[in-house]
Amino acid sequence: QSALTQPASVSGSPGQSITISCTGTSSDVGGYNYVSWYQQHPGKAPKLMIYDVSNRPSGVSNRFSGSKSGNTASLTISGLQAEDEADYYCSSYTSSSTLAFGGGTKLTVL
Amino acid sequence: QLQLQESGSGLVKPSQTLSLTCAVSGGSISSGGYSWSWIRQPPGKGLEWIGYIYHSGSTYYNPSLKSRVTISVDRSKNQFSLKLSSVTAADTAVYYCARVFDGPYGDYPPAAGAFDIWGQGTMVTVSS
Repeated sequence: QSALTQPASVSGSPGQSITISCTGTSSDVGGYNYVSWYQQHPGKAPKLMIYDVSNRPSGVSNRFSGSKSGNTASLTISGLQAEDEADYYCSSYTSSSTLAFGGGTKLTVL
Repeated sequence: QLQLQESGSGLVKPSQTLSLTCAVSGGSISSGGYSWSWIRQPPGKGLEWIGYIYHSGSTYYNPSLKSRVTISVDRSKNQFSLKLSSVTAADTAVYYCARVFDGPYGDYPPAAGAFDIWGQGTMVTVSS
């Protein structure tokens, strides 16, 4: 069982916006601003999309944004495109000086 | 452009030790502000953090694997390694190595940084 809880799946139509949640506790997501989001296409290595809750690495589309409220972090993808269809994982630093991943969310673009 | 490449045995017998190496090219493993990590993904499942070697040389491991894991760095060869002992079928997975961004000043706490560069992954099967 993953330490962080994500919905198993979300879907949206091209052009729409979707949000993926990542729920933890005050010992991880809620306690630190070290939440990251990764995109993984089938058979490929994960790709960093968001770090430190809301920062985008160079080269990542500004359609991707991150936020946090309490013990829940969120990844929002606006202007959904077919290429966004992938699995998405959140991660967070924990008070035990370890790292926890969410179970992953499969995004389907209808 | 820094690149990471995993290598090692793709088939390991139960109870033996899994050994993987991650070669760093296009940059130095000793560059400030970065640490190094291993992550794995069982077939059809999610990501699992294995452990982390901080730029100071200190190591931090997933508590569920801690008794079996060793991560080390060979700066002369510009690579870092993973050893996982007493493997079982549950250790069958794609193993990824990754660079960890420890913040603009390299001062994030251990295990807090994001994985900004990943290797392509290597499949390891545990079977007799």
